[in-house]
Amino acid sequence: EIVLTQSPGTLSLSPGERVTLSCRASQSVSSTKLAWYQQKPGQAPRLLIYGASSRATGIPDRFSGSGSGADFSLTISRLEPEDCAVYYCQQLGSPPWTFGQGTKVEIK
Amino acid sequence: EVQLVESGGDLVKPGGSLTLSCAVSGFTVIYAWMTWVRQIPGKGLEYVGHIRSRPDGGTADYAAPVKGRFAISRDDSKNILYLQMNSLRTDDTAVYFCTKNTVSGLDDWGQGTLVTVSS
Repeated sequence: EIVLTQSPGTLSLSPGERVTLSCRASQSVSSTKLAWYQQKPGQAPRLLIYGASSRATGIPDRFSGSGSGADFSLTISRLEPEDCAVYYCQQLGSPPWTFGQGTKVEIK
Repeated sequence: EVQLVESGGDLVKPGGSLTLSCAVSGFTVIYAWMTWVRQIPGKGLEYVGHIRSRPDGGTADYAAPVKGRFAISRDDSKNILYLQMNSLRTDDTAVYFCTKNTVSGLDDWGQGTLVTVSS
């Protein structure tokens, strides 16, 4: 089973700041099979990024994904108040399709 | 418009069984890869299992904690996805989400249904 480790656990930043979230895999993951999700309180998760770097439909361009092999990242170029959420990475390359434990982004 | 609506969540005793349903609209379930994900309230997301589309073989894979106890199936005539859960344990307590796959992500989610396993 591929273990995904996300860091940091929690971030507290001001609006307008740039934030980068990390997702590290215990073994190499196909970059076409790495996704990022955003989950706000009381809501189902929403797909942000698929294939490591492609934005899902309707996702603002301040969200971007990058990486390959075992190291991936999600960047929010200019933090907005509505970006307050928990962000998860997931690999869909090797069953079981595992999730990272999540990074919570708080707005100061 | 794609919609996924889960139902069937309930309070069940340890060792009991429960079947969750996911009624879908806006696409045909037989041609979609579908995944169940669960989340203990206040905790992270956990992959439960997925089923391939009929053209891709229709087989399912499961996470280790549920393998042999849970089974994913479809009713193609009703366009419904199921999660049959047997030998339930207290650590199966969670909100269960039904999702539709793209090639490399879960792009549509239901609202979730709560399963509580407790004596």
